[in-house]
Amino acid sequence: DGGITQSPKYLFRKEGQNVTLSCEQNLNHDAMYWYRQDPGQGLRLIYYSQIVNDFQKGDIAEGYSVSREKKESFPLTVTSAQKNPTAFYLCASRRAGGPYEQFFGPGTRLTVL
Amino acid sequence: AQRVTQPEKLLSVFKGAPVELKCNYSYSGSPELFWYVQYSRQRLQLLLRHISRESIKGFTADLNKGETSFHLKKPFAQEEDSAMYYCAPPGAGGTSYGKLTFGQGTILTVHP
Repeated sequence: DGGITQSPKYLFRKEGQNVTLSCEQNLNHDAMYWYRQDPGQGLRLIYYSQIVNDFQKGDIAEGYSVSREKKESFPLTVTSAQKNPTAFYLCASRRAGGPYEQFFGPGTRLTVL
Repeated sequence: AQRVTQPEKLLSVFKGAPVELKCNYSYSGSPELFWYVQYSRQRLQLLLRHISRESIKGFTADLNKGETSFHLKKPFAQEEDSAMYYCAPPGAGGTSYGKLTFGQGTILTVHP
């Protein structure tokens, strides 16, 4: 079964703790993305990666970090420096060539207690 | 920089009424745009892309270069169309397919 998986579905964190969200894809896509979705604010890009061992900041990268050691995996770490981490996080991937459709994971809802 | 703007955060219509979700873009180069949809409790998924000129679930979208718009239209809305809709460019174009910036999204509610 091909696609993108994210885990966990729900995540609770205490203030001051770092937490890592998993994103895996078996679509052989080169590009991967992390978005944050908040009510009334749509999708905002956190980080993206076009190739293994390379990634770029999106519009709201502060307080987040990523790695891209494998083509299939693009984990996102929400650090204690992120001031308002409670949100719904979406991972996506896309092929290098056209068509340029993005495929999305089911999302992780992070709640900071 | 590529930008898309969806001016309406919320849009409500009654079943059977026409619906139009607005999307405007500012682009360098040749534009290519998509509409994505997120139904309740489902993944965000592609609805349609302008280059294919397709109609999906009764929705169409025409790229108007003069008005720099890519509005999504359906002549007769159905209750199952209620969802969040995003307009999006594919990326920087060419061999650089990096940063994608979505529009702010429009929540469509179709009342019975």
